[in-house]
Amino acid sequence: EVQLVESGGGLAQPGGSLRLSCAASGFPFNLYNMNWVRQAPGKGLEWVSYISSGGSAIYYADSMKGRFTISRDNVNNSLYLQMNNLRAEDTAVYYCGRVASGWRIDYWGQGTPVTVSS
Amino acid sequence: AIQMTQSPSSLSASVGDRVTITCRASQGIRNDLGWYQQRPGRAPKLLIYASSTLQSGVPSRFSGSGSGTDFTLTISSLQPEDFATYYCLQDYNYPWTFGQGTKVEIK
Repeated sequence: EVQLVESGGGLAQPGGSLRLSCAASGFPFNLYNMNWVRQAPGKGLEWVSYISSGGSAIYYADSMKGRFTISRDNVNNSLYLQMNNLRAEDTAVYYCGRVASGWRIDYWGQGTPVTVSS
Repeated sequence: AIQMTQSPSSLSASVGDRVTITCRASQGIRNDLGWYQQRPGRAPKLLIYASSTLQSGVPSRFSGSGSGTDFTLTISSLQPEDFATYYCLQDYNYPWTFGQGTKVEIK
């Protein structure tokens, strides 16, 4: 069974940092591209970042470039999102998602909430 | 970035109704579009990919169509479990972009 379990969310101060993790199981993690998607309270979904299976291709949403860094550890089947210089508008639930062939996000984690507030 | 305009933003419908949601891209995206369902407090769920391909396990009352800039999600006969918010997502190029969502409510 495919499972994606996010962790690392919590309360951060403006300008602070958090590192989110996504533990993957039930599939060959090293063969799949991965994404992060977020959802602010009461708002719609917002795509955050993509990383290819081997980590060589990485993309970010414009508002996160230079502040967020996506990475992965294919030995430990984990995906990460390092978030620096956090802003109030980064407050959201952050989901990791597996990208299947055809560029669809076919499995999602349950999400980890991030609150940026002083 | 490609903008995705979804309509309507919300609708009220009854069980058994036929429901149509549209998504328009600001430029041509071939058929690189998916539809996702999100129930309150839950993670999104993939319904349709490549504009019209039904994801495994998704009921056949869901269907998708379109290419280029105009796309449609249709629910042929609305069921109680279908009351949720629906999003389109273009995966034609990065940054991927979602539509703003369509909330389907009970009439």
